[in-house]
Amino acid sequence: ETGVTQSPTHLIKTRGQQVTLRCSSQSGHNTVSWYQQALGQGPQFIFQYYREEENGRGNFPPRFSGLQFPNYSSELNVNALELDDSALYLCASSPGGTGDYGYTFGSGTRLTVV
Amino acid sequence: AQKITQTQPGMFVQEKEAVTLDCTYDTSDPSYGLFWYKQPSSGEMIFLIYQGSYDQQNATEGRYSLNFQKARKSANLVISASQLGDSAMYFCAMSPYGNNRLAFGKGNQVVVIP
Repeated sequence: ETGVTQSPTHLIKTRGQQVTLRCSSQSGHNTVSWYQQALGQGPQFIFQYYREEENGRGNFPPRFSGLQFPNYSSELNVNALELDDSALYLCASSPGGTGDYGYTFGSGTRLTVV
Repeated sequence: AQKITQTQPGMFVQEKEAVTLDCTYDTSDPSYGLFWYKQPSSGEMIFLIYQGSYDQQNATEGRYSLNFQKARKSANLVISASQLGDSAMYFCAMSPYGNNRLAFGKGNQVVVIP
């Protein structure tokens, strides 16, 4: 069984640009959550997708958007990048539904905005 | 909203000794789950242990045990027989039942020395 894979592993973007991060969920998992982890902090919940629909969102502006595909893989898009968007972006998948806690995290994408 | 507090400074622990990592939390949810994750320098969040708020017994997983004191709203992690590979950041997190988003603390740095 493969785990959660994220791509790319590292990325450098310029302020104002747009970025797309990708996540392949673990086999059998239909729920994907995205987290932002700034340096020296714990991860912060961005949003979650369940069966291709957004299923909850944290305190992030609309320029953070996402998609989930029929194979349950997911994308995180960030428009108009700001310097403070520099962080490790983590994707986590779970078997889905509410009340299930089989979260599996990927190794993350480290985004640097210059 | 949930709040997780981890306030210990970085810790050095001798190999083969036990270490306790403190975690306190605040929530108005009547039912919730508590988690501990390990994050090595590679960035991946590795699940260690889970405790449900209604579980009567403290959770154990191999060398990891969770000292759950519901009235004090604390969920301390105990790592027994520390190994060099235990050197990492450790995060406490919680999630209300029926809500798959995790709220994380700021983490504890543990360095195991031979």
